[in-house]
Amino acid sequence: AQRVTQPEKLLSVFKGAPVELKCNYSYSGSPELFWYVQYSRQRLQLLLRHISRESIKGFTADLNKGETSFHLKKPFAQEEDSAMYYCALTSGNQFYFGTGTSLTVIP
Amino acid sequence: DAGVTQSPTHLIKTRGQQVTLRCSPKSGHDTVSWYQQALGQGPQFIFQYYEEEERQRGNFPDRFSGHQFPNYSSELNVNALLLGDSALYLCASSSLLAGGPWNEQFFGPGTRLTVL
Repeated sequence: AQRVTQPEKLLSVFKGAPVELKCNYSYSGSPELFWYVQYSRQRLQLLLRHISRESIKGFTADLNKGETSFHLKKPFAQEEDSAMYYCALTSGNQFYFGTGTSLTVIP
Repeated sequence: DAGVTQSPTHLIKTRGQQVTLRCSPKSGHDTVSWYQQALGQGPQFIFQYYEEEERQRGNFPDRFSGHQFPNYSSELNVNALLLGDSALYLCASSSLLAGGPWNEQFFGPGTRLTVL
């Protein structure tokens, strides 16, 4: 069963515009959700996790249990935000990644 | 600290052969997870090792096996290689004590396996 869905493979926004990367999940329990990011020629790294309720590099993500979503948002996109973004979920004994969204910020 | 290291970087094998991939975790980490990432896909969880034992396993056949050593480094073995095993294999390390095995995973650069 598909646990994490990222409907957009590619997303382009202009610098300074708001950006939202969508993530929907399917899990009946209480999942822990994450966003991982991979910049060009770098390793996959953690961006943020929902339990921390933190803002990293201006990005935030709110867990909406009613809509089973965990969208990633940033009010003003920067060129350095161009990267591959993966939404991920753990059920406790498994870890699931979505297929990723490639974000391009146009100068 | 070099972080998570993996070897080799690239590997070419033929169908039916066996392969061993290696991973050294980040200093201070005790848990190692392995992922398979096919082209255009997100990483898929293979299994996780802690205290030299396989603790969790994803939906992969028994051809995929692993090992963790006392120094926390790990190996991934794949037997009877199939064309479909061609992928990037990622290793991630984490600390069970520092928030749990999934709390923050540090990834290696990966090993690119090509099966001909």
